[in-house]
Amino acid sequence: AQSVTQLGSHVSVSEGALVLLRCNYSSSVPPYLFWYVQYPNQGLQLLLKYTSAATLVKGINGFEAEFKKSETSFHLTKPSAHMSDAAEYFCAVSVPDFSGTYKYIFGTGTRLKVLA
Amino acid sequence: GAVVSQHPSWVICKSGTSVKIECRSLDFQATTMFWYRQFPKQSLMLMATSNEGSKATYEQGVEKDKFLINHASLTLSTLTVTSAHPEDSSFYICSALPGLAISVEQYFGPGTRLTVT
Repeated sequence: AQSVTQLGSHVSVSEGALVLLRCNYSSSVPPYLFWYVQYPNQGLQLLLKYTSAATLVKGINGFEAEFKKSETSFHLTKPSAHMSDAAEYFCAVSVPDFSGTYKYIFGTGTRLKVLA
Repeated sequence: GAVVSQHPSWVICKSGTSVKIECRSLDFQATTMFWYRQFPKQSLMLMATSNEGSKATYEQGVEKDKFLINHASLTLSTLTVTSAHPEDSSFYICSALPGLAISVEQYFGPGTRLTVT
């Protein structure tokens, strides 16, 4: 069965420190993977996506993620955290259902707190 | 490109009334749209898949008679919460898959905050 696991529901980092948010997936088909950020009372904003091209994906706001098939992982990183990075982050895998329609399976989310 | 809007962005209604939420793809056609529900500090929960010109497919445990979905055109899907109750209060988010070909990436609306008093 397809699934997404985000280790750590809450992550705290100091401003300027490395951000690492973990995402592991399970998929029986080649996965399409996404990271989204959500600020309070707002929708989802796409940070980056893996769609079977380069395994190291660069996104907006200095974020990047590396697709590692052997580890079934797609961890999100940023070299230096900024106060504005404090938000909820969701990892998602897009997989086809029985009709061939691609649907998302979301992780449970990780709330990032940035300490001054 | 690939912008999805929702209206209203927030709504307060009285218990027992119905409320309609619109989801529009502004610059692309979407044969498939999705409706999600999000409780505070939780992830998104898929409620239903909406296909233009056909009946929506509801996820297990979602009451189709309570959450009416209509996908009348390639750019508009609506979610009507009928006979709303306080437990229906939540953040509702729609998304859309562009084009008629196979698409893997969903584009999300900004969400609608529903409060039932």
